Amino acid sequence: DAKTTQPNSMESNEEEPVHLPCNHSTISGTDYIHWYRQLPSQGPEYVIHGLTSNVNNRMASLAIAEDRKSSTLILHRATLRDAAVYYCIGKAAGNKLTFGGGTRVLVKP
Amino acid sequence: DGGITQSPKYLFRKEGQNVTLSCEQNLNHDAMYWYRQDPGQGLRLIYYSQIVNDFQKGDIAEGYSVSREKKESFPLTVTSAQKNPTAFYLCASSADRPNNEQFFGPGTRLTVL
Repeated sequence: DAKTTQPNSMESNEEEPVHLPCNHSTISGTDYIHWYRQLPSQGPEYVIHGLTSNVNNRMASLAIAEDRKSSTLILHRATLRDAAVYYCIGKAAGNKLTFGGGTRVLVKP
Repeated sequence: DGGITQSPKYLFRKEGQNVTLSCEQNLNHDAMYWYRQDPGQGLRLIYYSQIVNDFQKGDIAEGYSVSREKKESFPLTVTSAQKNPTAFYLCASSADRPNNEQFFGPGTRLTVL
């Protein structure tokens, strides 16, 4: 799995977009980029994943740099329920996930 | 409802006792995992199993044991050999296809007194 680097924390106002960066400069051509989030005292939940193209789903969008050395998770309109720790994972094919420290997102009303 | 259950939510044990944490899934997933999380840290993989009757060590397997006798169940035993067992333990499962998402249980918070 590729090593990933994320900021420790970020703040956002409610209803505003949140852009969460992730650096994965050692990623290989076959490593997918996965994002999970963990609400307080709960297990993580899957958010999104991608390989090269930008991806959208009901939870978020994932923008992947052309050189794939970085990516950005975009929460389009942050709500208080989006306050969580967001983990970026560079994952080789297979099932193992390697979690780093993640980014703690604080949403202010 | 399909999902993963872990029991109990909170568990207290005396030092030196073995303790078994339960994990059950009805998602028909082949792969199951156990993670440990310490306060303010990310998750670390203890053991994983990709098929019944088979499992592999993760990054921090020492002091733990598992079994996978049924597809639905993957219990974790924290033995007395685990030096610092107090932690939040999370079980997950996934379909055994590359890059399939993992579904996590609610976790068991183990405190060893």
